[in-house]
Amino acid sequence: DIVVTQSPDSLAVSLGERATINCKSSQSVLYNSNNKNYLAWYQQKPGQPPKLLIYWASTRESGVPDRFSGSGSGTDFTLTISSLQAEDVAVYYCQQYYSTPFTFGPGTKVDIK
Amino acid sequence: QVQLVQSGAEVKKPGASVKVPCKASGYTFTSHFIHWVRQAPGQGLEWMGIINPSGGSTSYAQKFQGRVTMTGDTSTSTVYMELSSLRSEDTAVYYCARGIIGDAYNSCDYWGQGTLVTVSS
Repeated sequence: DIVVTQSPDSLAVSLGERATINCKSSQSVLYNSNNKNYLAWYQQKPGQPPKLLIYWASTRESGVPDRFSGSGSGTDFTLTISSLQAEDVAVYYCQQYYSTPFTFGPGTKVDIK
Repeated sequence: QVQLVQSGAEVKKPGASVKVPCKASGYTFTSHFIHWVRQAPGQGLEWMGIINPSGGSTSYAQKFQGRVTMTGDTSTSTVYMELSSLRSEDTAVYYCARGIIGDAYNSCDYWGQGTLVTVSS
């Protein structure tokens, strides 16, 4: 199984400041034949199901604010919130869908400082 | 609009089984895979498996092999996840989620509201 790790476990950022979350997979999730990274980012607020933010490592889902961006390739990925808003307080998960089981990272909790 | 509607909370005794439905609407049922993901209280997300509603093929995480069965009913646009031999560690919210159109290797763009399954004697 591909093991997915995230760092940090939690972070607190001032409103309007940048938040950066890292995600690392134990093996590459880049499929060479189509040059796509099989990596997604989700946001989960308390009592709600996860919400898809980013797929193919850097493609923003429709309706997601452009302050959310994804980057990286191979085994190392980053989710950036360029200017943190109050409504961004949540737990963020990355997930690889390169091979089954489609494993999730342990999550990163984002709070306001 | 796309919706995945799940049933209400269930309480089961250890050793029993639970069958959780997920009714899809607002899109062509057979065009998207359905994933099942669970979340124990205060914990992270755990992927359980996937079903192709067109044909019924499935792939399960090794951890659940032999205990989980995912099925689909095209006449009602409903998929089911049945988990047997329940134990206390299976207490969790169980989510169904729609895979983005295409093959199985995709992220999930729509999620059900979740079904809390509590296993307790």
